[in-house]
Parts: sequence; C-alpha cells; structure tokens
Amino acid sequence: KAGVTQTPRYLIKTRGQQVTLSCSPISGHRSVSWYQQTPGQGLQFLFEYFSETQRNKGNFPGRFSGRQFSNSRSEMNVSTLELGDSALYLCASSTDTYNEQFFGPGTRLTVL
Amino acid sequence: AQTVTQSQPEMSVQEAETVTLSCTYDTSESDYYLFWYKQPPSRQMILVIRQEAYKQQNATENRFSVNFQKAAKSFSLKISDSQLGDAAMYFCAYRPSYNNNDMRFGAGTRLTVKP
Repeated sequence: KAGVTQTPRYLIKTRGQQVTLSCSPISGHRSVSWYQQTPGQGLQFLFEYFSETQRNKGNFPGRFSGRQFSNSRSEMNVSTLELGDSALYLCASSTDTYNEQFFGPGTRLTVL
Repeated sequence: AQTVTQSQPEMSVQEAETVTLSCTYDTSESDYYLFWYKQPPSRQMILVIRQEAYKQQNATENRFSVNFQKAAKSFSLKISDSQLGDAAMYFCAYRPSYNNNDMRFGAGTRLTVKP
C-alpha cells in the first residue's frame, strides 16, 4: 500500500496570503488528522476529519480550516497568513478514530 | 490536561551501545495509549512502539523496548545495539483510549549515533 502523501512538500508565501495544503491518506483510511510542528511549540493538533466530518479541533484560530472529500483526501487551508504560521504541517491517517496513525512527510510552509 | 515531558533535548550513543530516552506524562485517565515516534531528517514520522496502559507487560519491537511505569507515569524507550540509522528525533506521545484526536506529543529528543 502507498503511504500517506502530502502536496506540496515545500511552499513559500507572503503575509496576508492564503494557502491550501493537501493530504492523501492510505487507501482504506477514513480518518485524517492535521498537526503543526514548530521548533517553539512542538507538535500541536489542528483538527481531525472522519468520513467528511470534522470530529474535533485543536486550539488554533479560525484562519485554520479544513475539509475532507468523499475519497478521504483532505485539505487544510490557512487564510491571512502570519509569520508565525511558518511550520511543518503534518498529516496523519488511520482506519478510524481509535487506531494507529500513519504520518505523511509533511509540507514545509515558509511565510515571508 | 494531559502533558508529555521529555527532559532530554539531546542524547548521544556509540554505535552498538544501548541508550535510554526518558518520557513522563501527566493524566487523570486510567486507560490510554503511549507511543514513541521517530522522525529522521527526511521528516516522516514513524511509529516505533506503542503501549496500552492496561497491559502490564512492557512492549518490545526488535531492538526497541519500553519501561512502562504506570504509577510513576513514566515511559522510557530503550534502544539496544544502536545503529547509525537510529539517529533521529524521538517523540513520546500520549492519547486517551477513547479519543484519537487528543494526541499529545513531547518536545522530542534528538538522538545522535556515533560510529
């Protein structure tokens, strides 16, 4: 089986712009979670989607949003980018909410 | 709130030797999972080992084993016969058994393996 894939791998944006990141889970996995990783804050949970529904959301502002499609692929959107949004964004998938998560390689977002 | 603490920002081990990475956590739950993830320089997080809190027996995966002390809320990772490929960031993580969403990670330990 192919692993979790994320596109793009690298992204450079400027303040005020918006960005969309994509995650394709492992085939058969219906749960997709998003994490932000920064040197200062470490790994922080953003949100999880299961069968196209957002199950839970971490402590992030409303500028961070996501969605999941019927094929379980997920997108994450960040609007009005700030310098502090520079981070590695990781996506993880699992068969359902309670099972082991498999991580993708991440998207490195740099905000200038 | 559950927190995970890794008190060793960096560790170093000689190839073929054994190293132990420390992790403590705080929770009021009785049922939960603990994990060690490895993040090599390529950045893809890989699950190394997992432990269910209701199991008294320590988990083992080849050269990787844990010392799970539930009362002390301690969950250390022992790597035996260290190899150059073990060099990576290691993250300890916790989540309650009922909620996959609430995964909490420690700050990580950077492991260097010296040839």
